[in-house]
Amino acid sequence: GNSVTQMEGPVTLSEEAFLTINCTYTATGYPSLFWYVQYPGEGLQLLLKATKADDKGSNKGFEATYRKETTSFHLEKGSVQVSDSAVYFCARLPQGGSEKLVFGKGTKLTVNP
Amino acid sequence: DSGVTQTPKHLITATGQRVTLRCSPRSGDLSVYWYQQSLDQGLQFLIQYYNGEERAKGNILERFSAQQFPDLHSELNLSSLELGDSALYFCASSTGGGNYEQYFGPGTRLTVT
Repeated sequence: GNSVTQMEGPVTLSEEAFLTINCTYTATGYPSLFWYVQYPGEGLQLLLKATKADDKGSNKGFEATYRKETTSFHLEKGSVQVSDSAVYFCARLPQGGSEKLVFGKGTKLTVNP
Repeated sequence: DSGVTQTPKHLITATGQRVTLRCSPRSGDLSVYWYQQSLDQGLQFLIQYYNGEERAKGNILERFSAQQFPDLHSELNLSSLELGDSALYFCASSTGGGNYEQYFGPGTRLTVT
């Protein structure tokens, strides 16, 4: 089936720490993969995406690489800021034209000064 | 600001009632998607419209219905409301036609008492 599994949160880090949020997907074809971010009280914003194997999505210092061999799309940032505190969602679009985004459960990140 | 607008921002109503949530997509976008975000189910796709026609259905209850009007705005109708329908309802839009990026509105928070 089509599913996305994210690491359980919450995650609490100090400013300038390294961030990794794990995301794996079920290996049904070649889905497109996304990271969305939801800041407190707001809607979801697309953070980055990758549409084929070995693609690297990047934005605002965040990166994620589409790894077909491990069916993973882990989110990383080298040095987090307090303003990165939010909930992060990994999502997939199935291959074949479906536009139903399937989301992971979300990981809440809190960055302390 | 994603360019997608949703009204109202908050809605409080009683069990058994009916409500209508409204969404205006980004200028030029033909596809509208509705998602429900709740604590127990996470983010779930409900339904998609493309240029006025229903294109895809997800986990949408029979008590819920939607439509997209000629000016491309969309409405989600929720009837015979139950306590468990309390959630954040997001609308998203995209150009459609295979474009993978969905842009989300700020959401409508529905509270059923």
